[in-house]
Amino acid sequence: NAGVTQTPKFRVLKTGQSMTLLCAQDMNHEYMYWYRQDPGMGLRLIHYSVGEGTTAKGEVPDGYNVSRLKKQNFLLGLESAAPSQTSVYFCASSYTRTGSEQYFGPGTRLTVT
Amino acid sequence: KQEVTQIPAALSVPEGENLVLNCSFTDSAIYNLQWFRQDPGKGLTSLLLIQSSQREQTSGRLNASLDKSSGRSTLYIAASQPGDSATYLCAATLTADSNYQLIWGAGTKLIIKP
Repeated sequence: NAGVTQTPKFRVLKTGQSMTLLCAQDMNHEYMYWYRQDPGMGLRLIHYSVGEGTTAKGEVPDGYNVSRLKKQNFLLGLESAAPSQTSVYFCASSYTRTGSEQYFGPGTRLTVT
Repeated sequence: KQEVTQIPAALSVPEGENLVLNCSFTDSAIYNLQWFRQDPGKGLTSLLLIQSSQREQTSGRLNASLDKSSGRSTLYIAASQPGDSATYLCAATLTADSNYQLIWGAGTKLIIKP
């Protein structure tokens, strides 16, 4: 049981490049989330999904897109990376939207130059 | 707008001491409150989850309390150990009106000195 895994662990992009971050969970959770964490700030929700084939915007969705084609996978895309997107990105999943713990992946450290 | 604050940002104590970490929130209409631990370069691990109808939760040497009326939650760590060194974050789940979004504090970095 691997829990929540994220690929890649580190990435450096040039401004304007695109990339996709992959999140996978093997706990059969319905709910999945993408957060970003910046120094001195709490985590901020980018997008989330309440089930296969669904996505919804969080607090800071601009510049990101997501897809949930399979229940176990949640992809985060950056179409045209900007330096402001330099951050650590965390994926999480939970059994329910409320009242249950969120399980986190190890994070992806992204630098945009 | 709901805000979650954790003070202090950093705390250093000798091994063996009991300590309290604080978390305050501006809107008492929360669904639950969670405490997480984050180790350097790693993801977050959920420690305790307190529902809005509960006053406290305990797990081993950890005890978390919730006082909605005062907008405060505390995480009590008994007999601290060097292995407790990490950043501790609290997060409040807003109610259904805000689609159950989690609002996060910035964390308290805890260092336990041997």
